[in-house]
Amino acid sequence: RKEVEQDPGPFNVPEGATVAFNCTYSNSASQSFFWYRQDCRKEPKLLMSVYSSGNEDGRFTAQLNRASQYISLLIRDSKLSDSATYLCVVNMNTNAGKSTFGDGTTLTVKP
Amino acid sequence: DTEVTQTPKHLVMGMTNKKSLKCEQHMGHRAMYWYKQKAKKPPELMFVYSYEKLSINESVPSRFSPECPNSSLLNLHLHALQPEDSALYLCASSQGQSSGNTIYFGEGSWLTVV
Repeated sequence: RKEVEQDPGPFNVPEGATVAFNCTYSNSASQSFFWYRQDCRKEPKLLMSVYSSGNEDGRFTAQLNRASQYISLLIRDSKLSDSATYLCVVNMNTNAGKSTFGDGTTLTVKP
Repeated sequence: DTEVTQTPKHLVMGMTNKKSLKCEQHMGHRAMYWYKQKAKKPPELMFVYSYEKLSINESVPSRFSPECPNSSLLNLHLHALQPEDSALYLCASSQGQSSGNTIYFGEGSWLTVV
């Protein structure tokens, strides 16, 4: 079983749709969680850190469920510019410096 | 715009060449990283430097040799590479090496080995 697993995708949604991605992690000692966004042939960029209480940034909402060991990303009112690959990243304190990346979920928002 | 700068953006090298990738950050970060990314795969950690000392080497072949001349610079020396080493090489930095620190990536260097 992979340490970090994401919805395989691809997700193809119309503009204005709401879409949600999940990411599960296997190690209960995991401490920090992030969502990164990567556009085609570009570097990954931080989208959001994920906090225990959940956090929101405009149209994006991230949540953490420690009991079930998953994090989620909700995108409301999808825009064409949201089309990208979304990477779930998990860090364990015992492996400081070793971030574990999910394989990514590809989102395409269509007109 | 990213605050981690990588050069060159594109590099084509033969299997007998020696070349280097360079990375610079001016955010005062004390941890710097090299990642390798193949198409449709996530970044794969190669090396981590913390306070200019190599702290993690993910069993990377010796044809890749990292160097950290100072806290702002990170190099990756390449020698006798194979075509399968062709990939996007990403440099990154973070404030420290602890798990809560956000990692910031450079734009990457596209390497093709012929």
